[in-house]
Amino acid sequence: DTGVSQDPRHKITKRGQNVTFRCDPISEHNRLYWYRQTLGQGPEFLTYFQNEAQLEKSRLLSDRFSAERPKGSFSTLEIQRTEQGDSAMYLCASSSIPARDFDTEAFFGQGTRLTVV
Amino acid sequence: AQRVTQPEKLLSVFKGAPVELKCNYSYSGSPELFWYVQYSRQRLQLLLRHISRESIKGFTADLNKGETSFHLKKPFAQEEDSAMYYCAPHKSQGNLIFGKGTKLSVKP
Repeated sequence: DTGVSQDPRHKITKRGQNVTFRCDPISEHNRLYWYRQTLGQGPEFLTYFQNEAQLEKSRLLSDRFSAERPKGSFSTLEIQRTEQGDSAMYLCASSSIPARDFDTEAFFGQGTRLTVV
Repeated sequence: AQRVTQPEKLLSVFKGAPVELKCNYSYSGSPELFWYVQYSRQRLQLLLRHISRESIKGFTADLNKGETSFHLKKPFAQEEDSAMYYCAPHKSQGNLIFGKGTKLSVKP
């Protein structure tokens, strides 16, 4: 499978624990995005990388959240001291750097569903 | 501030009826406009982009810069069109944001 892959697919954790998710983008894609999606809502932007540089972070990304993309390939999203409100689907997407605006197409992974109990 | 509004959370039509999913955006500059779709138990995926002027699965989208709208239309809805639809304006230099989505339900 050459698409975007995310691991794990499901994670159940106790409140206060730390969790880490991984995203492997399509290999030639420079950009990598993280989103959070709750039931009935659209994907909410969290952060994105261009190669290894984190270019933008949403205000949704509190101090407990950190994302890395150390070698410009895979990325990790860590949530420290999880809270019940963190329960959501975490989506990763990747794209190439578009030469023109309309060249952009983001390819999504299946997501990691986090449940904090 | 960048904002995308999809006013209808749920749109329910009968098979063969026309359908229009509304999208209004507020965005600095002139973004390119996209529609993404998520079928049940599938990944979010691109449906169509404005620049292509294409019809995908019978859907088209009209950009009205004066009204800053990018409504998605299909003249005759099919049951397999039932899905979540997301409007997404984007500029190559910025991040990719989505509306809250409209759930389209096509009844037999």
